[in-house]
Amino acid sequence: QVQLKESGPGLVQPSQTLSLTCTVSGFSLMDYSVHWVRQPPGKGLEWMGRMKYDGDTYYNSALKSRLSISRDTSKSQVFLKMNSLQTEDTAIYYCTRDQPLYYGYDYWGQGVMVTVSS
Amino acid sequence: DIVMTQGVLPNPVPSGESASITCRSSKSLVYKDGKTYLNWFLQRPGQSPQLLTYWMSTRASGVSDRFSGSGSGTYFTLKISRVRAEDAGVYYCQQVREYPLTFGSGTKLEIK
Repeated sequence: QVQLKESGPGLVQPSQTLSLTCTVSGFSLMDYSVHWVRQPPGKGLEWMGRMKYDGDTYYNSALKSRLSISRDTSKSQVFLKMNSLQTEDTAIYYCTRDQPLYYGYDYWGQGVMVTVSS
Repeated sequence: DIVMTQGVLPNPVPSGESASITCRSSKSLVYKDGKTYLNWFLQRPGQSPQLLTYWMSTRASGVSDRFSGSGSGTYFTLKISRVRAEDAGVYYCQQVREYPLTFGSGTKLEIK
């Protein structure tokens, strides 16, 4: 059974670093890519970046200077780190599985709400 | 970056009627393999998004045949036939033709 679950702090102070973990089960990170997508309250979806199955990464150009995605395949975990957080980074953060056959997100995590506030 | 622009629906849509959601891309989403790399998602209130179609018109596993995607290289439509209450939510198009991937701003569907 394929599952993805995001975890991390619900509250982060401005200018601090956000660290999130996506723990997956039911598939291997060496066979599927994992993407991060976020959604500010009441707003639309924003693609953040991806960890490809071969370890390659790609980032949203607007976030590239602050964002880093890594993984631990032995633990089936993908990590997101983003520094210099501001209030506009308040959002639900989702990790998703990318189906390599057609590049669609066939499974999503439940999302984790992150609030940036002092 | 490829910009995705979605249309607005004249809400609410009466149950049993059809609804068409539009999406336009600033660049052709047709790849050299001939496929059009455009996905549609539905996000119901309080839920994670759900993949509806990929390659512009192929329904994802388990998706009702009431959902049908169509279009050209830069203009796309998701048609929902015989809308039901469970179809309510926000629909997003996404281009996966090239990085960085981009979403449309979303189209809200309300059912009467």
